[in-house]
Amino acid sequence: DADVTQTPRNRITKTGKRIMLECSQTKGHDRMYWYRQDPGLGLRLIYYSFDVKDINKGEISDGYSVSRQAQAKFSLSLESAIPNQTALYFCATSEVPGQGQETQYFGPGTRLLVL
Amino acid sequence: DQQVKQNSPSLSVQEGRISILNCDYTNSMFDYFLWYKKYPAEGPTFLISISSIKDKNEDGRFTVFLNKSAKHLSLHIVPSQPGDSAVYFCAASVWGNQGGKLIFGQGTELSVKP
Repeated sequence: DADVTQTPRNRITKTGKRIMLECSQTKGHDRMYWYRQDPGLGLRLIYYSFDVKDINKGEISDGYSVSRQAQAKFSLSLESAIPNQTALYFCATSEVPGQGQETQYFGPGTRLLVL
Repeated sequence: DQQVKQNSPSLSVQEGRISILNCDYTNSMFDYFLWYKKYPAEGPTFLISISSIKDKNEDGRFTVFLNKSAKHLSLHIVPSQPGDSAVYFCAASVWGNQGGKLIFGQGTELSVKP
């Protein structure tokens, strides 16, 4: 079974609709992240959470909100979807690094199309 | 402002030859660098990393070189195999204030031809 799962894997929605993307992990990591990938732009950080009570905005948080329901669950919401939110969305996790630096582990992605 | 740049969107290499993927960065505070590989319909997977206190890290066929004065890192794959065909992202982080967030480059699509 995958350590980081995302649901749904694909979603088509209409402008103005509310949509939630969900992420679950079995790695036992405290830190979770949401990224979006657009062609030619790489991965950009939307929100991140270092523990259940900690939520932080990333590089491109406008139009998005998140909820950290438990250590293992981190949801991303689009309150009113717009076409330029069409992208590939990735959830990632990491553990608090010891002597080394942290490595992030990614889920399989959710492909979202906003019409 | 793109702090991590991969200026080559694509690279094509013959099987058995060396693949060299390049990455440049602008923030001199970055102290940890990673390479991720991504296949279609999958999430990125960690490949190799290097701390700023080193200038080389090797793992099997993969070697990452860091040139801090030039703010440049590269990933060498020797020998290249068709299964290496994927998109490669470099990423950088700053420990401390930013809590280890990763900044990604745009990605380079590697195609290894048999």
